[in-house]
Amino acid sequence: DIVMTQSPDSLAVSLGERATINCKSSQSVLYSSNNKNYLAWYQQKPGQPPKLLIYWASTRESGVPDRFSGSGSGTDFTLTISSLQAEDVALYHCQQYYTPPYTFGQGTKLEIK
Amino acid sequence: QVQLQESGPGLVKPSETLSLTCTVSGGSISTYYWSWIRQSPGKGLEWIGYVFHSGSTSYNPSLKSRVTMSVDTSKNHFSLKLSSVTAADTAVYYCARSLGLYSRFDYWGQGTPVTVSS
Repeated sequence: DIVMTQSPDSLAVSLGERATINCKSSQSVLYSSNNKNYLAWYQQKPGQPPKLLIYWASTRESGVPDRFSGSGSGTDFTLTISSLQAEDVALYHCQQYYTPPYTFGQGTKLEIK
Repeated sequence: QVQLQESGPGLVKPSETLSLTCTVSGGSISTYYWSWIRQSPGKGLEWIGYVFHSGSTSYNPSLKSRVTMSVDTSKNHFSLKLSSVTAADTAVYYCARSLGLYSRFDYWGQGTPVTVSS
């Protein structure tokens, strides 16, 4: 199985500041034939299901604010929130869909400082 | 707008079989892949497996011996059975859609909590 490891486990950022969450996979999730990284990011608020934010490592899902961006390739990825808003307080998950079993990171809890 | 809704018992006794159904509305169950994912208290998300509209399946090896998934296209729903449950199977169970075999999960149900206890 591909192990996904996120860092940090929790993060406190001031409103308006940048938040950065990292995700590392135990093997590359870059498919060389199409040059796509099979990596997604989700946001989960308390009592709600995960919501897709980013796929192919850097493509924003429709309706997701442009303050959310994804970057990285191969085994190292980053989710960045450029200017933290109060509604961004949530648990964030990365996920690989390169090969079953599809696996998720342990989650990063983002709070307001 | 596609919507997914899980249903099933919220309490299951140890050693029995957990059975859940996910009903899809606002779109056809055909064409897409349909997964079950669970989240144990304080833990991360775990993919259980998927079923395709044709009935083909793929399961997480960690659960494969206990999992059965099926689809009923006439009712636009798909189902999960997990046998011989223990307390470790206590979790919120989500159903979710993916566009293809190697694709992200773009629609999720609200989740249903299942507790395994006598």
